[in-house]
Amino acid sequence: GENVEQHPSTLSVQEGDSAVIKCTYSDSASNYFPWYKQELGKRPQLIIDIRSNVGEKKDQRIAVTLNKTAKHFSLHITETQPEDSAVYFCAARGNRDDKIIFGKGTRLHILP
Amino acid sequence: ETGVTQSPTHLIKTRGQQVTLRCSSQSGHNTVSWYQQALGQGPQFIFQYYREEENGRGNFPPRFSGLQFPNYSSELNVNALELDDSALYLCASRPPEANYGYTFGSGTRLTVV
Repeated sequence: GENVEQHPSTLSVQEGDSAVIKCTYSDSASNYFPWYKQELGKRPQLIIDIRSNVGEKKDQRIAVTLNKTAKHFSLHITETQPEDSAVYFCAARGNRDDKIIFGKGTRLHILP
Repeated sequence: ETGVTQSPTHLIKTRGQQVTLRCSSQSGHNTVSWYQQALGQGPQFIFQYYREEENGRGNFPPRFSGLQFPNYSSELNVNALELDDSALYLCASRPPEANYGYTFGSGTRLTVV
């Protein structure tokens, strides 16, 4: 079945440095890849997304890259700040239905 | 406030009981999905409704069922509750023109004892 793998499960980064989270997906027909940020006790919030016809997208300090051939996509956060500490989920949407499959999440700690 | 609200926020039920969780989406959000998020895990897709009909389902047993209403609200019903059903239940909705972007509600924390 469809599967999304996410690495690492935990990531600690010094404030100001960059953080990278990587995901792979199994369904080659997937065409939409959102990233969600979830703070403790709160709902997942969409922070950036990318569609299969685009290789890279950037929004201020956040960027996402997509390699369709390798079925990889990554989240890059530059100049990390304390408020970036949260759990980040990657996800993939198949082309056959509207189902969005999530990775297991990465807990990002920004160290002072 | 995102415009997608869920009720109740917290709920405690006994094993074997039935529960109904509710989601109210923004006007025009005719697609709604329900997810189960166990502690420390990513959201797991339960099912999706489009224009009041189920049009996709994840690996959940039939005791998980749902309804969507014309007023853009929806329900998740779970029968014969099991301890493993304890989780955060999230609904997510989107309008037809935003082909990909879902907005999540704040969730219902269900505890089965």
